[in-house]
Amino acid sequence: QQQVKQSPQSLIVQKGGISIINCAYENTAFDYFPWYQQFPGKGPALLIAIRPDVSEKKEGRFTISFNKSAKQFSLHIMDSQPGDSATYFCAARRQAGTALIFGKGTTLSVSS
Amino acid sequence: NAGVMQNPRHLVRRRGQEARLRCSPMKGHSHVYWYRQLPEEGLKFMVYLQKENIIDESGMPKERFSAEFPKEGPSILRIQQVVRGDSAAYFCASSPQLAGTTDTQYFGPGTRLTVL
Repeated sequence: QQQVKQSPQSLIVQKGGISIINCAYENTAFDYFPWYQQFPGKGPALLIAIRPDVSEKKEGRFTISFNKSAKQFSLHIMDSQPGDSATYFCAARRQAGTALIFGKGTTLSVSS
Repeated sequence: NAGVMQNPRHLVRRRGQEARLRCSPMKGHSHVYWYRQLPEEGLKFMVYLQKENIIDESGMPKERFSAEFPKEGPSILRIQQVVRGDSAAYFCASSPQLAGTTDTQYFGPGTRLTVL
């Protein structure tokens, strides 16, 4: 049973465009939703995270939109740059001190 | 402030050998998580440890795999009698002492295990 479903699997965006990655979850007990960025050969790095008491969080060019009733959240990358080309993972967890449950990842390619 | 350190970065073992993966958490962090990443897959939780205690090992195979986080030294993930299916990237993450709900997990660079 996949608790966090991520789409699309891969994404190609023109430089300057908007990249959108979507995730859906099943467990209503989840209370923390981070996004991680991973470059080839590196470990995942925390990009931005949100809790279910807010509907949107923005940090620079990165925005998380959260829809609690639909059990969905998404990552928007504005003004996408070639340096953003990486694999992005959404994740969720139930409470502090528990494991993160990851989506399968989205490989983003930003063409110049 | 050094990040999470893992070694070795690459490890090659023949079938039947033992693999030992080490993880040193960030300074001040007392919680360690191990995850496994297969090609084209997301990370899968294996085990969660605090100093000298295994808190949750629900994601770790019952046989051949073990983990420890001693009072002194790094956390160790040990795989006995490795098989080709164990080939994967193994990541360690650490988080600080729980304070409310703040427990961001910071990942190391991973150990890439190849079983021949």
